[in-house]
Amino acid sequence: TQLLEQSPQFLSIQEGENLTVYCNSSSVFSSLQWYRQEPGEGPVLLVTVVTGGEVKKLKRLTFQFGDARKDSSLHITAAQPGDTGLYLCAGSNTGNQFYFGTGTSLTVIP
Amino acid sequence: DAGVIQSPRHEVTEMGQEVTLRCKPISGHDYLFWYRQTMMRGLELLIYFNNNVPIDDSGMPEDRFSAKMPNASFSTLKIQPSEPRDSAVYFCASRPKLSNSYNEQFFGPGTRLTVL
Repeated sequence: TQLLEQSPQFLSIQEGENLTVYCNSSSVFSSLQWYRQEPGEGPVLLVTVVTGGEVKKLKRLTFQFGDARKDSSLHITAAQPGDTGLYLCAGSNTGNQFYFGTGTSLTVIP
Repeated sequence: DAGVIQSPRHEVTEMGQEVTLRCKPISGHDYLFWYRQTMMRGLELLIYFNNNVPIDDSGMPEDRFSAKMPNASFSTLKIQPSEPRDSAVYFCASRPKLSNSYNEQFFGPGTRLTVL
């Protein structure tokens, strides 16, 4: 059962543009993670957020956890080709069992 | 550190055959997870172990699937008999009991399984 819906499902943009990816759920989570997955590899953790309203920045990436801890967003500023990949959000209430979102496939065109 | 190691990287088999996927977690990690990724269903947790003991196998799709962890450095996921709908990428992930990054899981490169 997919508890987390991500949008958009596919995104293709030019280098230098900004973008936002959304992760939404009807369930409350105690923590939410964002991963990036490149073709032929496993997902790699980018960030974990645990507090409602929390904002974390990782270079050009800004992550926000919704106040009600049901949703999250990932904003990328001045996208680069190296940002290309599948972005996955994952929510958990136990710290061990994570429910993964449907994924957003991002392509940044040079 | 070599990271999580999975073998084989690719497996093509015929319906009805037994398939065994293998995983070596990162040394010192207490938790091991098996996931399946498909276009239709995304990334799904199948089972996870803590200190070699299965904790939650509610994600295992049916009795054809079984997983073992005989020691801290090795785990297998077996499908017998395999069916075409089992075609997917299977990931193994591990994490330490205590992590600098809250509950960070380290994923292996995956095994792409194709059942004809």
